[in-house]
Amino acid sequence: GESVGLHLPTLSVQEGDNSIINCAYSNSASDYFIWYKQESGKGPQFIIDIRSNMDKRQGQRVTVLLNKTVKHLSLQIAATQPGDSAVYFCAENSGYALNFGKGTSLLVTP
Amino acid sequence: SAVISQKPSRDICQRGTSLTIQCQVDSQVTMMFWYRQQPGQSLTLIATANQGSEATYESGFVIDKFPISRPNLTFSTLTVSNMSPEDSSIYLCSVDLDNSPKAFFGQGTRLTVV
Repeated sequence: GESVGLHLPTLSVQEGDNSIINCAYSNSASDYFIWYKQESGKGPQFIIDIRSNMDKRQGQRVTVLLNKTVKHLSLQIAATQPGDSAVYFCAENSGYALNFGKGTSLLVTP
Repeated sequence: SAVISQKPSRDICQRGTSLTIQCQVDSQVTMMFWYRQQPGQSLTLIATANQGSEATYESGFVIDKFPISRPNLTFSTLTVSNMSPEDSSIYLCSVDLDNSPKAFFGQGTRLTVV
């Protein structure tokens, strides 16, 4: 079936560096994508979203890039901080509910 | 956004018993969903909770195991029935607001079955 997957299960970065988390999707009909952050013991928290008619969207310290040609999504976090340590999920919506990727654990070291 | 409250936040249950998880939203919402997150895994949709009608279950999930109620537009319950250790997971309630595909989540219920 259709799937949403992540390239790297874990990512370790130094504080102050930029982080890039990647995600591949297989459903060419997907028209909406979201990145969530999940801290330990908490539910997923919305970070940023992008529709399929866009290829880039920026928020505060975060940027999402969408490459529909290769069905690839990435989340860039600028100047990564210790509070950014969490598991990050990409998700796509091509119908009525979200289909989540496997998740990447981001660890920010001092 | 919406404030979504789940109860209980965690529980340890004996196998063979059932647990009902409550989800309360601070505003009326059309779409409510229940997800399962197994240890170290991603989120898997269990079902869509429909107000005034039976829930819509995803492949691999059945009503006898996961009965769901949705009595109004702000409240839903998920019951995990006849539990086994394999049911140990985080169960999450989520809602869509104003027909937006952006989903908001509760803090989850961490269930351990012993």
